[in-house]
Amino acid sequence: DIVMTQSPDSLAVSLGERATINCKSSQSVLYSSNNKNYLAWYQQKPGQPPKLLIYWASTRESGVPDRFSGSGSGTDFTLTISSLQAEDVAVYYCQQYYTPSYTFGQGTKLEIK
Amino acid sequence: EVQLVESGGGLVQPGGSLRLSCAASGFTFSNYWMHWVRQAPGKGLVWVSRINTDGSTTTYADSVKGRFTISRDNAKNTLYLQMNSLRAEDTAVYYCARGYSSSSPVGAFDIWGQGTMVTVSS
Repeated sequence: DIVMTQSPDSLAVSLGERATINCKSSQSVLYSSNNKNYLAWYQQKPGQPPKLLIYWASTRESGVPDRFSGSGSGTDFTLTISSLQAEDVAVYYCQQYYTPSYTFGQGTKLEIK
Repeated sequence: EVQLVESGGGLVQPGGSLRLSCAASGFTFSNYWMHWVRQAPGKGLVWVSRINTDGSTTTYADSVKGRFTISRDNAKNTLYLQMNSLRAEDTAVYYCARGYSSSSPVGAFDIWGQGTMVTVSS
C-alpha cells in the first residue's frame, strides 16, 4: 500500500499569515497516461465530516476559497493557506486515490497562534 | 441538495453484526462509485470499502476483508455495509462518501455523510 506522510503533525499560525502543510507519498501518484496526480486534500472541523478542498493535487473544489491552493507532483505535495482565517482551524488530510487502498495521511492539526 | 445520510450505527458486542445504510439524494446515485471510510475516536481517516456503479465490483481494506460486505440498491438510492464478526478495533464513526463518476471531473471523495457511530464493546 502507498503510505502517505504529512508534516508537520500540528501547526500554529497567526491570523493573516501563511500556513503550509506537506504530504509525501511512498510511491508516485502521477498517472502518466493522463498526467494527473491522484492526490486530494480534505479539511475536517471538530464534529464534522471531512470536506474536499483540492483534487488532482491542485484543482480547487467548487466553493472553496481561493486562499487554499495545492501544489506538487509525483510524491511531494503541499497545501497552502495564503492568509489564515479563524474558520480555517481544522485538521487537514491528504489522500491518494491512485490505488484502491485510498490511503490518507495521518492529519495535520492547524491552530491559531 | 446533494446529500448522504447514514444510519444503523449503535452498540454491539464483540462478535456481533450490524448493517449500516447510506441514503443518497440530490444526484444520480447509480452513476457514482461509493465508499465507506471510518474514523476511530480521536484518530485519522481510514478507507474501508468501495463499490462500483452497478455493484459488480467491490474492494475492501485488509482489516475488514472477509468480515464486511458492501452493497448497493440503485433503485432505492442506498448504499449498505454489512459488518459481521465485529471487534473492538472496529469502533469508529463510519462515513459514506461519493467517489468517481465518468460524468464528474473530480475523482476524489467529494460528498460525505455526517457519519454513524459504531461501538463494539461488551
